[in-house]
Amino acid sequence: GQQLNQSPQSMFIQEGEDVSMNCTSSSIFNTWLWYKQDPGEGPVLLIALYKAGELTSNGRLTAQFGITRKDSFLNISASIPSDVGIYFCAGRTSGTYKYIFGTGTRLKVLA
Amino acid sequence: GAGVSQTPSNKVTEKGKYVELRCDPISGHTALYWYRQSLGQGPEFLIYFQGTGAADDSGLPNDRFFAVRPEGSVSTLKIQRTERGDSAVYLCASSLSGTRSYNEQFFGPGTRLTVL
Repeated sequence: GQQLNQSPQSMFIQEGEDVSMNCTSSSIFNTWLWYKQDPGEGPVLLIALYKAGELTSNGRLTAQFGITRKDSFLNISASIPSDVGIYFCAGRTSGTYKYIFGTGTRLKVLA
Repeated sequence: GAGVSQTPSNKVTEKGKYVELRCDPISGHTALYWYRQSLGQGPEFLIYFQGTGAADDSGLPNDRFFAVRPEGSVSTLKIQRTERGDSAVYLCASSLSGTRSYNEQFFGPGTRLTVL
């Protein structure tokens, strides 16, 4: 099935560093969601974005809805060991119910 | 409040057997989704229910897969004549409504299906 392209695929960072990841689509979306998934768990919703250019924060996490409506970005500031996991983006077009998920960014934080 | 729950958490079965996976959505959520997640991949859409009816089952891989939601709440995903390729984590999600502008999907913990 169709999946969105996420970059980077994986990353190792030092505790305290900032992290950036992005998600791109060939389609225009009207909603972007960002999830975090821990091993053996379901994805947990982090941030929802509904307007082009929107910048939304949730604690140390900040996500942006790209102005082209074909991309989204997630930043994590001052990373900590519990940030380890897989981050997924998901996008949806106007008037539809189906979300398309990205391929995931695997984050590992070195203490 | 209670989130999305799924049972069983793990299911091991033999090739050719029939399995049922259950999802209990968040109370009041009319939209329910089933996804399948293979190792190293993001969730892939299987089927969407709005109320009791399957509004879109285009993601079901073949006719061995079937899902029901008879009372508009709990849903059961049914897989007949299981094959080893069916092994994956099956995720369920629910949202207040399928197509509304502000529509966030919340996931359950998943059922890990292993077909031997």
